[in-house]
Amino acid sequence: LAKTTQPISMDSYEGQEVNITCSHNNIATNDYITWYQQFPSQGPRFIIQGYKTKVTNEVASLFIPADRKSSTLSLPRVSLSDTAVYYCLVGDIRQNSGGGADGLTFGKGTHLIIQP
Amino acid sequence: DTAVSQTPKYLVTQMGNDKSIKCEQNLGHDTMYWYKQDSKKFLKIMFSYNNKELIINETVPNRFSPKSPDKAHLNLHINSLELGDSAVYFCASSQTSGRNEQFFGPGTRLTVL
Repeated sequence: LAKTTQPISMDSYEGQEVNITCSHNNIATNDYITWYQQFPSQGPRFIIQGYKTKVTNEVASLFIPADRKSSTLSLPRVSLSDTAVYYCLVGDIRQNSGGGADGLTFGKGTHLIIQP
Repeated sequence: DTAVSQTPKYLVTQMGNDKSIKCEQNLGHDTMYWYKQDSKKFLKIMFSYNNKELIINETVPNRFSPKSPDKAHLNLHINSLELGDSAVYFCASSQTSGRNEQFFGPGTRLTVL
């Protein structure tokens, strides 16, 4: 079971770039890395997913080093509305990959607080 | 159009009662999930169904019974409610049973008195 470790909380200011790192030392060959965002009183929302190197979309970038034992979610120019909990998950995205709860364990996430 | 919907949004009930939470997705996805988020915000998978077939059943008391009448619906029935069942329950769906993008419902806040 690929476990993940994230900081409990982080603070930053509007307009800054925020990087949240997740450790996943036991990541398996077929595992992908997925990040979710959760606002209070809402369900988590998918942000980005990647396997290696760098992935970028309109919301964030995901940096994954060659050994894949960690990953960094990068949020450019954050605003107050980016205050939320961010979860890192690791799991096999192939259909019928089995694995029980592997890749579906959200943990406690990183509580990001953005200040004016 | 709401992608994943849950009813009710709030549920307040007494210990010992039986209650159900309903979930529907209109995304055409094959896989649906139930998660529990407790007061410490720890979000934990409970069940997963793929095309109406149970594929994940984590360590959950037998009082919890999921039912999937078709692949667009996944309901959660809870018997003999206990204080510790108080939590927010989230339904989610994904295109396949792989650990790909999941779409979450708005949650059902269950309070057991």
